[in-house]
Amino acid sequence: DIQMTQSPSSLSASVGDRVTITCRASQSISSYLNWYQQKPGKAPKLLIYAASSLQSGVPSRFSGSGSGTDFTLTISSLQPEDFATYYCQQSYSTLWGFGQGTKVEIK
Amino acid sequence: EVQLVESGGGLVKPGGSLRLSCAASGFTFSNAWMSWVRQAPGKGLEWVGRIKSKTDGGTTDYAAPVKGRFTISRDDSKNTLYLQMNSLKTEDTAVYYCTTSIAAAGGGNYYYYYGMDVWGQGTTVTVSS
Repeated sequence: DIQMTQSPSSLSASVGDRVTITCRASQSISSYLNWYQQKPGKAPKLLIYAASSLQSGVPSRFSGSGSGTDFTLTISSLQPEDFATYYCQQSYSTLWGFGQGTKVEIK
Repeated sequence: EVQLVESGGGLVKPGGSLRLSCAASGFTFSNAWMSWVRQAPGKGLEWVGRIKSKTDGGTTDYAAPVKGRFTISRDDSKNTLYLQMNSLKTEDTAVYYCTTSIAAAGGGNYYYYYGMDVWGQGTTVTVSS
């Protein structure tokens, strides 16, 4: 199975900060990497698919990059509504899987 | 409006069984690959398994922790996805979500590309004696 490792597990940031979350796959997954945002008590929301494609309706301050084994999610200017937990997910192999999550908290 | 609505959650004893349902509307369910994802209390997301459309073979795949105990099935005439859970363990306690990709739109391997863009609200399963 492909293992997905996110870092950091949590971070504290202020409104307006640039935030970067990384995700590493245990083997190459080409660009089959998706990013989700989840707020407490809510279902996950797709932000980025295929490593760098912005899902319709998602603000342009969110961006994704990477291919192979190393990927990043960047929030260019953190907004109050962005405080949440973020997950990467690989859809390369037959068995899909998620990273362990990164919680973005208010500083 | 595209919608997924899960039901069937509840309290069950270890070793017991439960069947979850997910009612789909607003898209062509029979063409869709459908997945179940769960989240244990205070934990991260865990992909449980997936069923492909009958057009793409109707095959199922499962994560290792549930393989052999859980079965995903579908009734396209009722636009409903199921998750039959047997031999339940305390570690199966979680919120269970059904999910799919509308963007992939029944396009077979496009489901690997587009990510899961529609989710239900989740149903809670508690396994406890």
